[in-house]
Amino acid sequence: GVTQSPTHLIKTRGQQVTLRCSSQSGHNTVSWYQQALGQGPQFIFQYYREEENGRGNFPPRFSGLQFPNDSSELNVNALELDDSALYLCASSLQYSGEQFFGPGTRLTVL
Amino acid sequence: AQKITQTQPGMFVQEKEAVTLDCTYDTSDPSYGLFWYKQPSSGEMIFLIYQGSYDQQNATEGRYSLNFQKARKSANLVISASQLGDSAMYFCAMRESNTNAGKSTFGDGTTLTVKP
Repeated sequence: GVTQSPTHLIKTRGQQVTLRCSSQSGHNTVSWYQQALGQGPQFIFQYYREEENGRGNFPPRFSGLQFPNDSSELNVNALELDDSALYLCASSLQYSGEQFFGPGTRLTVL
Repeated sequence: AQKITQTQPGMFVQEKEAVTLDCTYDTSDPSYGLFWYKQPSSGEMIFLIYQGSYDQQNATEGRYSLNFQKARKSANLVISASQLGDSAMYFCAMRESNTNAGKSTFGDGTTLTVKP
């Protein structure tokens, strides 16, 4: 399945954070979502074969990487209080009708 | 731009009864896909059911069925014979034709509570 680390994270405003995701074996696409409390997930960006393949309405301080070994990262610079949320990664095959989510990383920015 | 609306912030259902969770969507694309996910308090998003816009029949997966009314742009989830373990947040989501499932737009969810 899809795994994410860490489970929880506390940072202070202005700091930088890296969240990690390990995709389901064989999946070539990873998507990241931000889910604020009481809301649905919002699409941040997607990576396909190590290249960014679409981005939602998020600023450039949200960036990512995808590696050949089914792992990926979400980096957030200059953290703001509103970045506090559950961050979900999901892996899939490109053009697949289904994606598989990880358990998420809960980020708190103080 | 695509949009998903879930108008029921919270729903209650008695154990063993059926419940319908509402979802309406807005898109100008003739080809799209609709999903329902379950999110327990643990946070993990669990895929339940998928309906393609050109599918002739409503999708069913075990106790889950999707009541797809294309002209009304609605895709309601029906859960039959509710169980206590069905208590969770439920999200409706949509992808448009030129995207894959990983670029889905989600609604704000409905919290379902199953009463014993």
